[in-house]
Amino acid sequence: AQKITQTQPGMFVQEKEAVTLDCTYDTSDQSYGLFWYKQPSSGEMIFLIYQGSYDEQNATEGRYSLNFQKARKSANLVISASQLGDSAMYFCAMRYNGSGGFKTIFGAGTRLFVKA
Amino acid sequence: NAGVTQTPKFQVLKTGQSMTLQCAQDMNHNSMYWYRQDPGMGLRLIYYSASEGTTDKGEVPNGYNVSRLNKREFSLRLESAAPSQTSVYFCAIRTSGAYEQYFGPGTRLTVT
Repeated sequence: AQKITQTQPGMFVQEKEAVTLDCTYDTSDQSYGLFWYKQPSSGEMIFLIYQGSYDEQNATEGRYSLNFQKARKSANLVISASQLGDSAMYFCAMRYNGSGGFKTIFGAGTRLFVKA
Repeated sequence: NAGVTQTPKFQVLKTGQSMTLQCAQDMNHNSMYWYRQDPGMGLRLIYYSASEGTTDKGEVPNGYNVSRLNKREFSLRLESAAPSQTSVYFCAIRTSGAYEQYFGPGTRLTVT
């Protein structure tokens, strides 16, 4: 069965510091993908970063990087130089190839608070 | 929101009433999805459509029906609303050749 686990309900970080949000996953598939989405208090879901299971390099997008450790089945999000606008819910997600096409499952989320 | 619109933004229903949530995209993508988000939980897939005319169940399809009559629109219907369906509903699209999804602004539904 496919599963995404985010064990940190809430995290605090000082502005301008780096923070790591944890994500572990479970799948028996060889081909899958991992995502991070941000949900600000306004409610929209914003795509941040993607890592494919066959990608050898960790994905990076600006201040976001995904620390992919395949053997440990972890896909942690690292936000460098935190900003006040980074305060939001962050969801880890995994896509897999289910019957009928690609499906995506989400973790329960981590709420990040950035302190001035 | 990558051209994904949802109507209505808010809705209050009484138990047993029916309604249809509408989702439309303006970018000609094949794959469309309906999710629900409950407090303290991530998004859970209700139904998805890989292409026009096809639909498939997700994790939590009970109590819902969907319709993909054309490429642009994917609607979610609650035939007899229940308080357990109080949630925020998101429609999403997946661009062809990519894996990430882009979400609409959501519909906040309350069933009393």
